[in-house]
Amino acid sequence: DAKTTQPNSMESNEEEPVHLPCNHSTISGTDYIHWYRQLPSQGPEYVIHGLTSNVNNRMASLAIAEDRKSSTLILHRATLRDAAVYYCILRMAPGTGNQFYFGTGTSLTVIP
Amino acid sequence: DTGVSQNPRHKITKRGQNVTFRCDPISEHNRLYWYRQTLGQGPEFLTYFQNEAQLEKSRLLSDRFSAERPKGSFSTLEIQRTEQGDSAMYLCASSSRQGPNTEAFFGQGTRLTVV
Repeated sequence: DAKTTQPNSMESNEEEPVHLPCNHSTISGTDYIHWYRQLPSQGPEYVIHGLTSNVNNRMASLAIAEDRKSSTLILHRATLRDAAVYYCILRMAPGTGNQFYFGTGTSLTVIP
Repeated sequence: DTGVSQNPRHKITKRGQNVTFRCDPISEHNRLYWYRQTLGQGPEFLTYFQNEAQLEKSRLLSDRFSAERPKGSFSTLEIQRTEQGDSAMYLCASSSRQGPNTEAFFGQGTRLTVV
């Protein structure tokens, strides 16, 4: 399974932007980069995904490096409700598996 | 609520007993996943269904575990002769399409405690 590397934890002040990094140096050309987050005592929640181009949605932005070996999830203004574990996941091309491989993620603490 | 629904939310059972969990996916989602999550770890894949067919099983799914999706709608996960090591959060997810350009939607999970 393709591997991602994330910092174990990060802190951010409320209402400031947060940049959550992810390294995926073994990514293949057809792997999509997905981000999920998990609030305490809840199931994972989809945040955003992309292939090559940067992506924006109402929750966050995803910045993908030109060589695709790393990506950054950007929360534009952190709120207390954004405190969660954030998982960066590679989804592989069809035929190589259907499941999501979660690592241990980055635990984000938002400081009021 | 049209999200993924899991029941029960919590289950406490004695070692050696059998337990069954239910997952109702989002309507018309033909792909369904089961995951297990222990404290401090990310979710680990257990099994995957496309409609009623169980297409993938992890080696984590020992012979005490069985999952079904009889009519391609809801799914059940049964654990026989539970052990203390089975204590975990069991998560269900569903998606509408196959392939890496697809997001999955997770339920709230069933937390199992084996005493």
